Amino acid sequence: GAVVSQHPSRVICKSGTSVKIECRSLDFQATTMFWYRQFPKKSLMLMATSNEGSKATYEQGVEKDKFLINHASLTLSTLTVTSAHPEDSSFYICSAPGREDRNEQFFGPGTRLTVL
Amino acid sequence: QKEVEQNSGPLSVPEGAIASLNCTYSDRVSQSFFWYRQYSGKSPELIMSIYSNGDKEDGRFTAQLNKASQYVSLLIRDSQPSDSATYLCAVNRVRNQGGKLIFGQGTELSVKP
Repeated sequence: GAVVSQHPSRVICKSGTSVKIECRSLDFQATTMFWYRQFPKKSLMLMATSNEGSKATYEQGVEKDKFLINHASLTLSTLTVTSAHPEDSSFYICSAPGREDRNEQFFGPGTRLTVL
Repeated sequence: QKEVEQNSGPLSVPEGAIASLNCTYSDRVSQSFFWYRQYSGKSPELIMSIYSNGDKEDGRFTAQLNKASQYVSLLIRDSQPSDSATYLCAVNRVRNQGGKLIFGQGTELSVKP
């Protein structure tokens, strides 16, 4: 599989602030990683594909200026929620491909964001 | 029509029984299929991947794929209370790194002692 970490695991912030979430692939170099958002009792929604060395690819309806993605290295992707508002409160999860089977995706532990 | 559909449940089975989870998908060109387990408050954990028609077994889990019927299922034998979770079906149109996973809404499974 793959070992994926995320930091922080939980963050509470005031409305209007920006929050950065880090996602690391610990045992595999990932040129592509994915960011998802999950609301309570709902399924995962793909937000964007993070591409090392190029711009992220955003899904329809996701504001790229609000959710900034930077794939800084082959093991690190960051998601910055800019000017966060209460409706941005959600569970944010990243994924990276598996080492043995790159078609499989393994998820980080997630970051629970609460915007007051 | 949703791209990936699952019965939302909850599905309740007694301990020791077989739990059967079903998933249908709309895109006929889909190539890769996955089952994830998600405990409340946690991120999804990959249980099975399947790419070819037929059955694939791993311990108490068996995934079944029928591309003609656009149907993939997960059977859990000898269900345990620890299997109680939401099971997510995911589909990918391609078979390489970078392909996007499309998730169903998940089926909540409850295994009663």
